[in-house]
Amino acid sequence: QVQLVESGGGVVQPGRSLRLSCPASGFTFSGYAMHWVRQAPGKGLEWVAIISYDGVNTFYADSVKGRFTISRDNSKNTLYLQMDSLRPDDSAVYYCARRSGLVYSRLPGAFDIWGQGTVVTVSS
Amino acid sequence: QSALTQPASVSGSPGQSITISCTGTSSDVGGYNYVSWYQHQPGKAPKLMIYDVSNRPSGVSNRFSGSKSGNTASLTISGLQAEDEADYYCSSYASNNNYVFGTGTKVTVL
Repeated sequence: QVQLVESGGGVVQPGRSLRLSCPASGFTFSGYAMHWVRQAPGKGLEWVAIISYDGVNTFYADSVKGRFTISRDNSKNTLYLQMDSLRPDDSAVYYCARRSGLVYSRLPGAFDIWGQGTVVTVSS
Repeated sequence: QSALTQPASVSGSPGQSITISCTGTSSDVGGYNYVSWYQHQPGKAPKLMIYDVSNRPSGVSNRFSGSKSGNTASLTISGLQAEDEADYYCSSYASNNNYVFGTGTKVTVL
């Protein structure tokens, strides 16, 4: 069964850090690029970051560039999002998602498998 | 990167067809054939409905179809059913290895 399960969310004060995890199962994790996407309360979906299947390439939305770091451990089939210098407007449900398409591809694609999300609240 | 523009809401009666538009620029929707559509129901993970402008993943009803003209993509739901009630988002690959989502459309089945 193809599955992504996010964890690590919680309540954190502004300026602090948090690390999200997303273990994957049911597919060849090391063959797919992976994304983080978030949804703030009452708002739409916002793309956050992508990492290539081998971890070599990473790209970020301007809103998180320099503060968030996406990484992966293919030996543990796990995706991560390190969030530093958190701000109240980073409060959201954070989803990990798999890039669709061929295995070991660097082409763009859709988001075909999603986790259920983990809630991050940044508040003093 | 600005969000793609979608109508805030669209409604229709059971059995009718509705179309949701998604307007971007030549740097995203108009420049690439990597437009996708997602159904998002409360408390659930978003679900991929259309990828690469007009392709349906396995298991998605053929009542859902996608198209693109210039900088505007569209999702059409034919034979509207109560279970189609949800928020729908478009997304596009954009220049500089970015992705952008639409503002979202709430579909109501009357």
